[in-house]
Amino acid sequence: AQSVTQPDIHITVSEGASLELRCNYSYGATPYLFWYVQSPGQGLQLLLKYFSGDTLVQGIKGFEAEFKRSQSSFNLRKPSVHWSDAAEYFCAVGRDYKLSFGAGTTVTVRA
Amino acid sequence: ETGVTQTPRHLVMGMTNKKSLKCEQHLGHNAMYWYKQSAKKPLELMFVYNFKEQTENNSVPSRFSPECPNSSHLFLHLHTLQPEDSALYLCASRGTGDSPLHFGNGTRLTVT
Repeated sequence: AQSVTQPDIHITVSEGASLELRCNYSYGATPYLFWYVQSPGQGLQLLLKYFSGDTLVQGIKGFEAEFKRSQSSFNLRKPSVHWSDAAEYFCAVGRDYKLSFGAGTTVTVRA
Repeated sequence: ETGVTQTPRHLVMGMTNKKSLKCEQHLGHNAMYWYKQSAKKPLELMFVYNFKEQTENNSVPSRFSPECPNSSHLFLHLHTLQPEDSALYLCASRGTGDSPLHFGNGTRLTVT
């Protein structure tokens, strides 16, 4: 069975500070991993994905994520947060058409 | 413009009503999905269609009835819903191989 855990329900960060969102997964084989972002009233937008190769992947909007097989983790990071990064972030794992999503982490950015 | 368009954006319906949600994708994808998003819960996969054929029904109650007339259009027909069915319903599409899901903006459904 595949599953995703996002341990942090809500994170508050100051504008300009760094951000790290945690994601742990359970998957029986080599996983495909994704991070999506959802702004209020919007659908989910793909930030980045990992299929194989370099374990540090770059995405859109200045985000990056690191795959650590030994820790079953795929944490998302951004060095300097902007107010527009306030949103809900979802980690997902799976292959082919079956993705399992985490419950999401809400990010609040304070001035 | 996300490439995946859902209508209506908001829907309020009584428990005895019949309504339909519509999804249209302009990305040339062959697979289309319905997801249910409830507050602070993981997205729940409901239905998957590949080349207009249903390939997944994730134990969804029969009061939800999907229809996929072609690879670009997907409907979710609703009847005799329950208040706990209130949620954001997201449509997504996907191309071939390992391409990622592309989501629409969702329909916010409230059942009264």
